[in-house]
Amino acid sequence: DGGITQSPKYLFRKEGQNVTLSCEQNLNHDAMYWYRQDPGQGLRLIYYSQIVNDFQKGDIAEGYSVSREKKESFPLTVTSAQKNPTAFYLCASSRDDRGSGYTFGSGTRLTVV
Amino acid sequence: GESVGLHLPTLSVQEGDNSIINCAYSNSASDYFIWYKQESGKGPQFIIDIRSNMDKRQGQRVTVLLNKTVKHLSLQIAATQPGDSAVYFCAEIGAGGTSYGKLTFGQGTILTVHP
Repeated sequence: DGGITQSPKYLFRKEGQNVTLSCEQNLNHDAMYWYRQDPGQGLRLIYYSQIVNDFQKGDIAEGYSVSREKKESFPLTVTSAQKNPTAFYLCASSRDDRGSGYTFGSGTRLTVV
Repeated sequence: GESVGLHLPTLSVQEGDNSIINCAYSNSASDYFIWYKQESGKGPQFIIDIRSNMDKRQGQRVTVLLNKTVKHLSLQIAATQPGDSAVYFCAEIGAGGTSYGKLTFGQGTILTVHP
């Protein structure tokens, strides 16, 4: 079955460490997105990519980095520069840059210890 | 700036009642709107969508209404069931400029269905 896979489901990070969250899709979607969700809040866009080897900052990109070397993969690195990284991270993809077929992964919960 | 917001942060209903969740949006150029359901610890699940050239769209037990004049969106759930308890988000996709193709979410409404 086609879908988006995020791993790991739970991730613990020590302060000062970089961590990378994985997002893989087999939907042949062109566009991919990373969102952050804090308790009781909506989703905020971190980064998005509409085509391979290209990506743009979203609303809260500071302290994060991404790459899009392959169409099916869009990993997110939470760097030590991100002051409050504890959150629920969601990856999504869509068929095109108009948002057709928008699909979410099951999320990664990151906790700083 | 662009924003999508919800009027009611919480909604409690009895099983079998109809539920109405409201959403206001500010970007009049948006042309695509989606309602999502999110259960605790899970990613958002697509419920129903509507394009700006439509006023109403119906699915199974759900109806979305779009009023472009007042920039208002609503989700109606018929015969609400305990399994409908979740957080509901409306989201818009920008139709132009820097918001093109990006999904902007509202704060969310917590729906609780009592047996």
